[in-house]
Amino acid sequence: AQSVTQLGSHVSVSEGALVLLRCNYSSSVPPYLFWYVQYPNQGLQLLLKYTSAATLVKGINGFEAEFKKSETSFHLTKPSAHMSDAAEYFCAVTRGKTSYDKVIFGPGTSLSVIP
Amino acid sequence: KAGVTQTPRYLIKTRGQQVTLSCSPISGHRSVSWYQQTPGQGLQFLFEYFSETQRNKGNFPGRFSGRQFSNSRSEMNVSTLELGDSALYLCASQASGYNEQFFGPGTRLTVL
Repeated sequence: AQSVTQLGSHVSVSEGALVLLRCNYSSSVPPYLFWYVQYPNQGLQLLLKYTSAATLVKGINGFEAEFKKSETSFHLTKPSAHMSDAAEYFCAVTRGKTSYDKVIFGPGTSLSVIP
Repeated sequence: KAGVTQTPRYLIKTRGQQVTLSCSPISGHRSVSWYQQTPGQGLQFLFEYFSETQRNKGNFPGRFSGRQFSNSRSEMNVSTLELGDSALYLCASQASGYNEQFFGPGTRLTVL
């Protein structure tokens, strides 16, 4: 079975500071991993995805994530936080390339950016 | 391409009523998944439809049901509403052969 944990349900950073959101996964097969962002009263938007092509994945809005198999981690980072980054972030895992394989979402991390 | 659309965006119902939510996927996407999002339980998978067939189902009671039409549009129905059904219901569509999901804005259901 697959699962996702996100350490820290709430993270606060100062504007301009490094953003680090943690995600650890459990999977019996090579995983496909995602980060999604959700702004208030909106649906989820894909930030980036890992599909085994490269361990460092760059996404939209300056975010990137690094896949570390030995640590079963896929942490999300951004060098400098902006006020507009305040949102809920979800890490997700799936085992396959088709919609038949369920996507498992983590509990989410709420990011606050302090001016 | 137009994104995933969900109607209505907001809905208020009373206990015991039933409700139907609608989702129109991105053109060409044949898979539609439904999720319930609440502050306490987070994102929970309800079910997934592909080519009018339910392929995956989460752990929800039979009061929650869905269907998909030949044009890939999907509806979900909740009967005998309970207070605990108050949530944001999200729909996501997916293209064949790809595992990234595209989400709609959600329907906010409030049960009084």
